[in-house]
Amino acid sequence: AQKVTQAQTEISVVEKEDVTLDCVYETRDTTYYLFWYKQPPSGELVFLIRRNSFDEQNEISGRYSWNFQKSTSSFNFTITASQVVDSAVYFCALSEAGYGGATNKLIFGTGTLLAVQP
Amino acid sequence: GAGVSQSPSNKVTEKGKDVELRCDPISGHTALYWYRQRLGQGLEFLIYFQGNSAPDKSGLPSDRFSAERTGESVSTLTIQRTQQEDSAVYLCASRTGFPLTGELFFGEGSRLTVL
Repeated sequence: AQKVTQAQTEISVVEKEDVTLDCVYETRDTTYYLFWYKQPPSGELVFLIRRNSFDEQNEISGRYSWNFQKSTSSFNFTITASQVVDSAVYFCALSEAGYGGATNKLIFGTGTLLAVQP
Repeated sequence: GAGVSQSPSNKVTEKGKDVELRCDPISGHTALYWYRQRLGQGLEFLIYFQGNSAPDKSGLPSDRFSAERTGESVSTLTIQRTQQEDSAVYLCASRTGFPLTGELFFGEGSRLTVL
């Protein structure tokens, strides 16, 4: 069965600090996709990144970076020089990559609430 | 519209009443998903539509929950005889139909409160 664990329930940092959000996943599939979504106080989920299981290159987008390690089944998310606007709940999710009738639904972790204090 | 649209945004109902929640996905997105998010928790998958059919209903918590989709567009999630534990935000998401590996686009959700 597929499972996503985000062990950090809440994190509080002061603006400009770096912060890493952990994500550990379980799957028997050899091909799968990993996602990160941001849910600000307004409630709407905002897509941040999608990574397939064959691409272990780290990715950087501005202040955001992601570290994907298949050996430890982890897909961690780092925000550099955090800002108050980064305050949100962040969700990691896993999806199979099947075809021919597979639902490819996203299985979400329980989320990490990040509070960035000014 | 440009995004996934859900209505109502807020619904307060009495225990035992039926409710209908509506989702209008992004035009052209044949895949549609319903999720439930209880307060402070993650997203639970409810049901998946591909076109008008629902090949995966595995997440529906009881037979009080049902959903349909017509015309490969609008979907309605119906909860009969609501219970207090049904209180949650119900999120709808859509994506292009093939391949099913792209991002899910989410609506803002319908917040249901059962008194």
